[in-house]
Amino acid sequence: QSVLTQPPSVSAAPGQKVTISCSGSSSNIGNNYVSWYQQLPGTAPKLLIYENNKRPSGIPDRFSGSKSGTSATLGITGLQTGDEADYYCGTWDSSLSAGGVFGGGTKLTVL
Amino acid sequence: QVQLVQSGAEVKKPGASVKVSCKASGYTFTSYGISWVRQAPGQGLEWMGWISAYNGNTNYAQKLQGRVTMTTDTSTSTAYMELRSLRSDDTAVYYCARQKLEYHPLDYWGQGTLVTVSS
Repeated sequence: QSVLTQPPSVSAAPGQKVTISCSGSSSNIGNNYVSWYQQLPGTAPKLLIYENNKRPSGIPDRFSGSKSGTSATLGITGLQTGDEADYYCGTWDSSLSAGGVFGGGTKLTVL
Repeated sequence: QVQLVQSGAEVKKPGASVKVSCKASGYTFTSYGISWVRQAPGQGLEWMGWISAYNGNTNYAQKLQGRVTMTTDTSTSTAYMELRSLRSDDTAVYYCARQKLEYHPLDYWGQGTLVTVSS
């Protein structure tokens, strides 16, 4: 059971927009930056969003991130078939057992 | 360009140990840390711990304390993760990832190393 909660799956048609939620607590999302990772089938994860809403060089502006309180959201607009992947949120947990934490992952299907 | 290249797949028996390597290039190794993350078949990501390549400080996930050791060799820009007393539920793909400090994003990842634990 993951510390951060994500929906197991989302789907939308090409060209449409989708959002993926990530829920946590005050010890993790509430007081730390959130990152998002994209994992295409059979490959290593790739950093998509960092510090809640910043994109690394090379990541298109179709991808966006936001955070409010103890929840974060990844948005993807202009969906493409190549966006089909698993998406994970991640952050630091500042509780007694401090460490990195991830959501369980959300599988995006582009219909 | 930043690259992290990991060692090849391993098959181990229960109770054995495994040591995975992660060779870094394209950046100043000692200016960053390395986190290790594993992914069991069909499952999500699990953070295992972090090591500073600058001074060797470590922070391990509580559930792995006592079984895992992370080290670095600055002369070869290589990080290592050793997991002992292997069990079947340690079967997973193990990833190394560059991370400035423990709470920073994992900005570059290795290709992954499959470790299979089976009798």
